[in-house]
Amino acid sequence: DTGVSQDPRHKITKRGQNVTFRCDPISEHNRLYWYRQTLGQGPEFLTYFQNEAQLEKSRLLSDRFSAERPKGSFSTLEIQRTEQGDSAMYLCASSTRTGRGDTQYFGPGTRLTVL
Amino acid sequence: SQQGEEDPQALSIQEGENATMNCSYKTSINNLQWYRQNSGRGLVHLILIRSNEREKHSGRLRVTLDTSKKSSSLLITASRAADTASYFCATPHVWETSGSRLTFGEGTQLTVNP
Repeated sequence: DTGVSQDPRHKITKRGQNVTFRCDPISEHNRLYWYRQTLGQGPEFLTYFQNEAQLEKSRLLSDRFSAERPKGSFSTLEIQRTEQGDSAMYLCASSTRTGRGDTQYFGPGTRLTVL
Repeated sequence: SQQGEEDPQALSIQEGENATMNCSYKTSINNLQWYRQNSGRGLVHLILIRSNEREKHSGRLRVTLDTSKKSSSLLITASRAADTASYFCATPHVWETSGSRLTFGEGTQLTVNP
């Protein structure tokens, strides 16, 4: 399977706990994105990496959120002191520049439930 | 905020019928993309149409783009039960640093009844 993978697929945690998600992009893709999707809504952009550099962050990414991509390959998204409002699907996508545009390929997502 | 708005929010049809979904957006774009999402799963890229294209086909999919009206439509012909999913349009905001942020609409939930 050469697609984007995410781990875990589901995470249930109690309010106040920290959680970390992992994303493994398509191997030749240097661009990596995180999005968040709540029920009945489309995904919303959180942050963007080009190689190991975090170039863009959304205002949605509060101080409790941190993302890394240390070697320009996999990425982690950590949420500290989780709140019930953090319950959502967290989606990772990767892409690479082509002449046809920046098509982003999404992983299956990590569904977070904060109790 | 969501730039794209899909219409209708929900659509229920019988297998074999055609399904049409519409999307409107607000700012100028260089392309528009359609994605499908099966329940509780990730998004699958369906088709990309550039701003200088008016129509594009891929298998049973037909996408149109009207930049003067800032709207796009997705037509699925001869629908199948397996087409049951949520469909999203997405428009990219391109950064100077390269890469682009996709802005999604709220989606159309399509149900194809056998």
